[in-house]
Amino acid sequence: SQTIHQWPATLVQPVGSPLSLECTVEGTSNPNLYWYRQAAGRGLQLLFYSVGIGQISSEVPQNLSASRPQDRQFILSSKKLLLSDSGFYLCAWSLTYNYGYTFGSGTRLTVV
Amino acid sequence: RKEVEQDPGPFNVPEGATVAFNCTYSNSASQSFFWYRQDCRKEPKLLMSVYSSGNEDGRFTAQLNRASQYISLLIRDSKLSDSATYLCVVTRNQAGTALIFGKGTTLSVSS
Repeated sequence: SQTIHQWPATLVQPVGSPLSLECTVEGTSNPNLYWYRQAAGRGLQLLFYSVGIGQISSEVPQNLSASRPQDRQFILSSKKLLLSDSGFYLCAWSLTYNYGYTFGSGTRLTVV
Repeated sequence: RKEVEQDPGPFNVPEGATVAFNCTYSNSASQSFFWYRQDCRKEPKLLMSVYSSGNEDGRFTAQLNRASQYISLLIRDSKLSDSATYLCVVTRNQAGTALIFGKGTTLSVSS
């Protein structure tokens, strides 16, 4: 069966520090991968999606970036965090959109 | 107009009640529709897909009206464990490259 792993679960980072969140999927090949963010009291915002290695589509201009160095690995990065980057970051995968997405357990990021 | 709109609630109902949530979406090109459930501080989990013919899964019934761009979720015989936030979700376009989530409707079931 397919599983998605996301870490760390919780992270507290100072303003201006770098960020790297990793997500991996097991048990499938060539998944579509997604990064979402949920700010406190707000809905899920799509940040990036990828349909293949090295293929990244950005949804929102900001100081975050994403990379997909391997088929089942998706990384979210920032060179310098802002207070407004705080939120619940969720990675998700799908094979086709018809069946919805499966989310990882998320990373709760607090920028202080 | 927001891409997906939901009444945020909260809906406070007693056990055994029937409750209905509604959702509207703005993009007529959307092809697939879902309801997700999100427990407090957890990731969203797929509750059910929504089909034009309507579909039922136990106590849950979902309906889609493409003409009105309207989706509904009916929960019968509410349980305490149904307390959660329910997210209405649609594909952004025909290519379905991304799912767009509503902000959710909060349900609280009490004994």
